[in-house]
Amino acid sequence: QKEVEQNSGPLSVPEGAIASLNCTYSDRGSQSFFWYRQYSGKSPELIMFIYSNGDKEDGRFTAQLNKASQYVSLLIRDSQPSDSATYLCAVNAPSGSARQLTFGSGTQLTVLP
Amino acid sequence: EAQVTQNPRYLITVTGKKLTVTCSQNMNHEYMSWYRQDPGLGLRQIYYSMNVEVTDKGDVPEGYKVSRKEKRNFPLILESPSPNQTSLYFCASSLTGGRDEKLFFGSGTQLSVL
Repeated sequence: QKEVEQNSGPLSVPEGAIASLNCTYSDRGSQSFFWYRQYSGKSPELIMFIYSNGDKEDGRFTAQLNKASQYVSLLIRDSQPSDSATYLCAVNAPSGSARQLTFGSGTQLTVLP
Repeated sequence: EAQVTQNPRYLITVTGKKLTVTCSQNMNHEYMSWYRQDPGLGLRQIYYSMNVEVTDKGDVPEGYKVSRKEKRNFPLILESPSPNQTSLYFCASSLTGGRDEKLFFGSGTQLSVL
């Protein structure tokens, strides 16, 4: 049974701080890793994806992947109140199909003004 | 505008009364999927479709049916809803269903079964 674990939070950070969101996964063969953001009452939207070990930066967002430790994280620099949302980690197996995507339960982030 | 459209947005029904949640995408996507989202359990896949007339079970298919007669539409059918199917439902699509593709989600359907 593939598992994707996230700390449900809530995680609160002050405006301007760095928010760090963490995710671990059980399938060592996982190849693709995604972060979706979901505002309250809204649908998930993709904000980052990462395939290779190391860091990937996109604006204020940095995804970090460590396959040896089966760990993926999302850093949000200069956090803004508009970043307050639930962040879903999703992991895909090497089967080659979107059908294999497994979501974590999400971490609720609150950025305090 | 490229989008996935779900209807209705909210639905309250009673046990055993058949219902259909519609999903339509205008992006010519081959892959479509239904998820349910419950507190603490994340998004769980119900059914998916790789193309017209090709559907298959996801992780939690019991009590649900789907059909894919046209590329753009992928309705979710609950023939005899039960209270444990009270949940937030999302339809999603991607271009071909490839492993690394972005999923586009509909706006969700909040279903309550009394």
